[in-house]
Amino acid sequence: EAGVTQFPSHSVIEKGQTVTLRCDPISGHDNLYWYRRVMGKEIKFLLHFVKESKQDESGMPNNRFLAERTGGTYSTLKVQPAELEDSGVYFCASKIYSGNTIYFGEGSWLTVV
Amino acid sequence: GENVEQHPSTLSVQEGDSAVIKCTYSDSASNYFPWYKQELGKGPQLIIDIRSNVGEKKDQRIAVTLNKTAKHFSLHITETQPEDSAVYFCASHSGGGADGLTFGKGTHLIIQP
Repeated sequence: EAGVTQFPSHSVIEKGQTVTLRCDPISGHDNLYWYRRVMGKEIKFLLHFVKESKQDESGMPNNRFLAERTGGTYSTLKVQPAELEDSGVYFCASKIYSGNTIYFGEGSWLTVV
Repeated sequence: GENVEQHPSTLSVQEGDSAVIKCTYSDSASNYFPWYKQELGKGPQLIIDIRSNVGEKKDQRIAVTLNKTAKHFSLHITETQPEDSAVYFCASHSGGGADGLTFGKGTHLIIQP
C-alpha cells in the first residue's frame, strides 16, 4: 500500500513567486494534515481536513497560505507570494477516521531565495 | 495552547548502551503521546505511542513511560544500534483545542560505534 506522497520533494523559488505543494494521502484516509518545520525549530501544525472540509486551520501563519482539498482526495498548499521566512519542510500527514496513528509523507523542502 | 518541551537536543551514546529522551507537556487534557523517528531526507515515522490511560508501553528495544501527574513522558531505547541514529520527536495531542499534534523540538541521537 502506498504511503503519503508529496510533490515536489524539493523546490527553490524566488521571493514573491508562487509555489503549490501537493499531497496524496493514504487511500481511504479521511483526515489530512499539513505541518511545517522551519530551520532548527519544531514541527508545527498548519491545518487539518476531514474529507474536503477544513476542520481546523488555526496553525496557518497568514493569508499568503491557501490549502484546498477539493473532492476530499489529494490536497494542495499554495504559498503566494512566497517570503524568505517560508523556507522549510512542509509535511503532509493522513489518518484513518477511527484511528490514532498519523502517517507522514517525506516532506516538500521549500527554499525561498 | 499546548507546549511540549524536549530534552536533550543532542544525545550521543555508545553502541549497545541505552538512550533516554524526555518530554514535558503543559495541557492536562492531552491524552495521546506519539514518538516519531526522522531519518535524513525522510518524513517522521511513528515508532511508538501511548495513551493517557496507560503508564508504560514496550515494543522490543523501545519503551515509553508516561507520568500524568508530572506531565512528562520519556522514550527509552535499549541496546542501541547504529541504525537508531536519527532525530526523534515527541508529540502530544490534546483532547480539546487544535486537532493537530504539538511537537517537541527534536533530539538528534548519535550512536557511536
